Amino acid sequence: GAGVSQSPSNKVTEKGKDVELRCDPISGHTALYWYRQRLGQGLEFLIYFQGNSAPDKSGLPSDRFSAERTGESVSTLTIQRTQQEDSAVYLCASRPGGGRENYGYTFGSGTRLTVV
Amino acid sequence: SQKIEQNSEALNIQEGKTATLTCNYTNYSPAYLQWYRQDPGRGPVFLLLIRENEKEKRKERLKVTFDTTLKQSLFHITASQPADSATYLCAPNTGFQKLVFGTGTRLLVSP
Repeated sequence: GAGVSQSPSNKVTEKGKDVELRCDPISGHTALYWYRQRLGQGLEFLIYFQGNSAPDKSGLPSDRFSAERTGESVSTLTIQRTQQEDSAVYLCASRPGGGRENYGYTFGSGTRLTVV
Repeated sequence: SQKIEQNSEALNIQEGKTATLTCNYTNYSPAYLQWYRQDPGRGPVFLLLIRENEKEKRKERLKVTFDTTLKQSLFHITASQPADSATYLCAPNTGFQKLVFGTGTRLLVSP
């Protein structure tokens, strides 16, 4: 696609429920990233995919968080048993990858998650 | 520990002046550093990348410098316009594949 697409754009969920956030990267971009941004704060790295594998998942805050990527395209970030501290904007970004490390990231507009 | 510092206070300038934003980092040796713009409710937008062996990079009204001795990058917007008002994020790479973002500096350009 022309840009990085994330869905839903907004999600309100009850504490304890599971949520799935989706990211469609730019076609052909092999590198995909998830970041989290709490209100008024900076971007917090969660996980990096190169193709379908995740060589760096060091930012996932707990085992309630998981992510997968299939077909070197769509990625899903799943949060189980959501807590109020999970409320944030979840941003996905992609870039060409494949040795072309000096490219900027293209970000989606994010999913705003509110846990009530 | 690794740290990125950007002015947390907003920078207020008048239209037409040059805005200068600072990014300092510690305990990093980034191979490159990127600058992004973020508007409220939107994802960051890539502006410029500068490599460790480059002292300066320009793009239209934007200029970025990178001093690996001082561990500092400066971001300049010349002839600033109200439309330049946004939060600007500094992001050095860490490791081979990952960017770490500063908390950003909000720029307000008044007419």
